[in-house]
Amino acid sequence: QVQLVQSGAEVKKPGASVKVSCKVSGYTLTELSMHWVRQAPGKGLEWMGGFDPEDGETIYAQKFQGRVTMTEDTSTDTAYMELSSLRSEDTAVYYCATTEEGYSSSWYVNWGQGTLVTVSS
Amino acid sequence: SSELTQDPAVSVALGQTVRITCQGDSLRSYYASWYQQKPGQAPVLVIYGKNNRPSGIPDRFSGSSSGNTASLTITGAQAEDEADYYCNSRDSSGNHPGVFGTGTKVTVL
Repeated sequence: QVQLVQSGAEVKKPGASVKVSCKVSGYTLTELSMHWVRQAPGKGLEWMGGFDPEDGETIYAQKFQGRVTMTEDTSTDTAYMELSSLRSEDTAVYYCATTEEGYSSSWYVNWGQGTLVTVSS
Repeated sequence: SSELTQDPAVSVALGQTVRITCQGDSLRSYYASWYQQKPGQAPVLVIYGKNNRPSGIPDRFSGSSSGNTASLTITGAQAEDEADYYCNSRDSSGNHPGVFGTGTKVTVL
């Protein structure tokens, strides 16, 4: 059983960067496809990017291109999501989640508990 | 197009059946997955693929698809089913699994 444990809440000023971690247990990170999804207060789910197993690359949502970096430390089975040039609209709960794929479909199997990032001056 | 549209809210009487729909072009090529989210909690997968339930999800949850519309049906809704529900699919080009629906708030009366 995969478990994803994320780092704690963060408060950042506009213009700063934040780095959220997601520790994997039960499997190794290399066996998983990790993605990041965020949810602004009272809003829906928004995909930020993740690992594409077809070409072995990390892909980012166009909206976050140039501002987000997703990395993995396989020695500690920890994934990271760093978002830079923060603005108030980035205030949200950030989730890591693993995907699986099947015939004409993919789905998010496991989710971290979420990390609240608050951007405020 | 990479948008999935859901009705904002539906209500269902306890024990009755409710269907939640999700519309989008990508659903002509890809199955939707469905997620239940309760306040302050992470989403939970309830349906994936053609109509599959993860272990632990009650069989009152089922999924179906036709054309550009996917549906999640709760047959015999329980009080604990009150939550937000989101659909998800790959984008129309199949490049990534990152298209989420707008979400439906289900209220059990």
